[in-house]
Amino acid sequence: DIQMTQSPSFLSASVGDRVTINCKASQNINRYLNWYQQKLGEAPKLLIYNANSLQTGIPSRFSGSGSGTDFTLTISSLQPEDVATYFCLQHNSWPTFGAGTKLELK
Amino acid sequence: QVQLKESGPGLVQPSQTLSLTCTVSGFSLTSNSVHWVRQPPGKGLEWVGAIWSGGSTDYNSALKSRLSISRDTSKSQVFLKMNSLQTEDTAIYFCTRSGVRVMDAWGQGASVTVSS
Repeated sequence: DIQMTQSPSFLSASVGDRVTINCKASQNINRYLNWYQQKLGEAPKLLIYNANSLQTGIPSRFSGSGSGTDFTLTISSLQPEDVATYFCLQHNSWPTFGAGTKLELK
Repeated sequence: QVQLKESGPGLVQPSQTLSLTCTVSGFSLTSNSVHWVRQPPGKGLEWVGAIWSGGSTDYNSALKSRLSISRDTSKSQVFLKMNSLQTEDTAIYFCTRSGVRVMDAWGQGASVTVSS
């Protein structure tokens, strides 16, 4: 199985900050990586698919980059409604997930 | 509007069988796949298995011997059955759709506790 190492596990930032979250794959997954946002008690929401494509309806402050083994989710200017847990998913082979990053406001 | 909704018993006794249903709307099961994903308390997400648009299935190798996924396309429902449940199977179980995009829509999840 492909292991996904996500960092940091916890992140505290202020409104307007640029926030970055990383996922590292244990082997090459090309661009087969998605990013999700999950708020407490809600279904996960797809933000970015195939490493850098913005899902319809997602604000443009969210962006993704990377290929191969190293990937980044960036929030360009943090908003209060972005408080959530974020996780990555690789789908190059049998799906595996990052452990998640809990994002809070400072 | 694409929707998925999980349903099933909240409590299952150890060694018993878990049966969950995912009822979908807004898309066809014959042109999309449905995956099951679970999240134990305080832990990360784990892929459980999938039923593909053609009806074939794939399972997490660690769960394969205990797992069955099936569907009723006429009712727009996907079923998960897992036997010999243990406390480690306590989790929130999600169903999620894959079509043009992988896992682009998710249900709210069904909480399952394995306890006597």
